[in-house]
Amino acid sequence: QKEVEQDPGPLSVPEGAIVSLNCTYSNSAFQYFMWYRQYSRKGPELLMYTYSSGNKEDGRFTAQVDKSSKYISLFIRDSHPSDSATYLCAMSSLTGNQFYFGTGTSLTVIP
Amino acid sequence: NAGVTQTPKFQVLKTGQSMTLQCAQDMNHEYMSWYRQDPGMGLRLIHYSVGAGITDQGEVPNGYNVSRSTTEDFPLRLLSAAPSQTSVYFCASLRRGQETQYFGPGTRLLVL
Repeated sequence: QKEVEQDPGPLSVPEGAIVSLNCTYSNSAFQYFMWYRQYSRKGPELLMYTYSSGNKEDGRFTAQVDKSSKYISLFIRDSHPSDSATYLCAMSSLTGNQFYFGTGTSLTVIP
Repeated sequence: NAGVTQTPKFQVLKTGQSMTLQCAQDMNHEYMSWYRQDPGMGLRLIHYSVGAGITDQGEVPNGYNVSRSTTEDFPLRLLSAAPSQTSVYFCASLRRGQETQYFGPGTRLLVL
């Protein structure tokens, strides 16, 4: 079983829609949870970072962590065509020496 | 700051050849790492370093060597390239306590 599971999509939504992206994980030691955005032929860039459970909001982006279900989500409100990218979840334990990534979800926002 | 830089951007190798992928960061980050990204597999950790002189293996270390003689540089060596090592390679760095990895632009490697 992989440490982190993520639906690869692809996901296609109209402009202005709310997007929901999800990951599940198996290691209960994970405490740091991250979402990265990766544009085509570029390196990943950090979008959101949360520690332990709860919600975190930053502009149009909201990250949720449910440790009891081992499930994390990223919501994008009022989606724009510029949000079209691959979104990767990542997580690590308290020691943080190894980071585990999901396979990424490809998102297209149609104007 | 230039952030994390990687060279070359693209490389073609023949099976059995060796090469070094270069990675440098100017943010004085203690932690550096190498990942490979393959379709359907996501980012997989090859090797990482928590400081100069300290390296450790990640999820897929076979066929790769690393060293960390300075804080700034973390080269990845392919000793004898194989077609299975065709991939996009990313270097990343992180400041401990922030848990935010900064990624380089990637090196695309094709092994024939």
